[in-house]
Amino acid sequence: EDKVVQSPLSLVVHEGDTVTLNCSYEVTNFRSLLWYKQEKKAPTFLFMLTSSGIEKKSGRLSSILDKKELFSILNITATQTGDSAVYLCAVELDQFYFGTGTSLTVIP
Amino acid sequence: DSGVTQTPKHLITATGQRVTLRCSPRSGDLSVYWYQQSLDQGLQFLIQYYNGEERAKGNILERFSAQQFPDLHSELNLSSLELGDSALYFCASSVEGMWNEQFFGPGTRLTVL
Repeated sequence: EDKVVQSPLSLVVHEGDTVTLNCSYEVTNFRSLLWYKQEKKAPTFLFMLTSSGIEKKSGRLSSILDKKELFSILNITATQTGDSAVYLCAVELDQFYFGTGTSLTVIP
Repeated sequence: DSGVTQTPKHLITATGQRVTLRCSPRSGDLSVYWYQQSLDQGLQFLIQYYNGEERAKGNILERFSAQQFPDLHSELNLSSLELGDSALYFCASSVEGMWNEQFFGPGTRLTVL
């Protein structure tokens, strides 16, 4: 049974578009929710979220957590080809649970 | 470059064999995590060590074992290998034992024939 579900599975956009990636989870008592970016190599850390309603930002990327509705979103504005990657969401409980990821392709 | 090193980079072996994957964390990091990533199952957490002690355990098979040594490097041992064990194995490290910024190594690609 999947504890973390990401949507969409895949997304293709043009450069300059804004995208929203979704991560929903079924558990309530978790320590943190994390977002990672994975290109053709190891995942790289993007954000860690622990509190509901507080937006984390880094350049064109931002993320927010809604603990009441059990989801998080990752927004990317003014997308660039370098944003093409798989974006992974994970929650920490007694162990760490990852979603299957959203594959984002940004075309020029 | 994250500062986490993993060896070997690629490993090809036969079913039934045993292999050891090695990970050196970033300087100063006390915690090491192991993950398995296969095409059909995505990224799966295996196990975490903090300063030599097991901290958290995921769905790690009994055929797999790991340890963290006093110099903080870690090894993941995979035995009685099956075709389904073919995957990319990542090691990550963090300063503390908490789930904060983990730095991933480049991975070891294991192919079981």
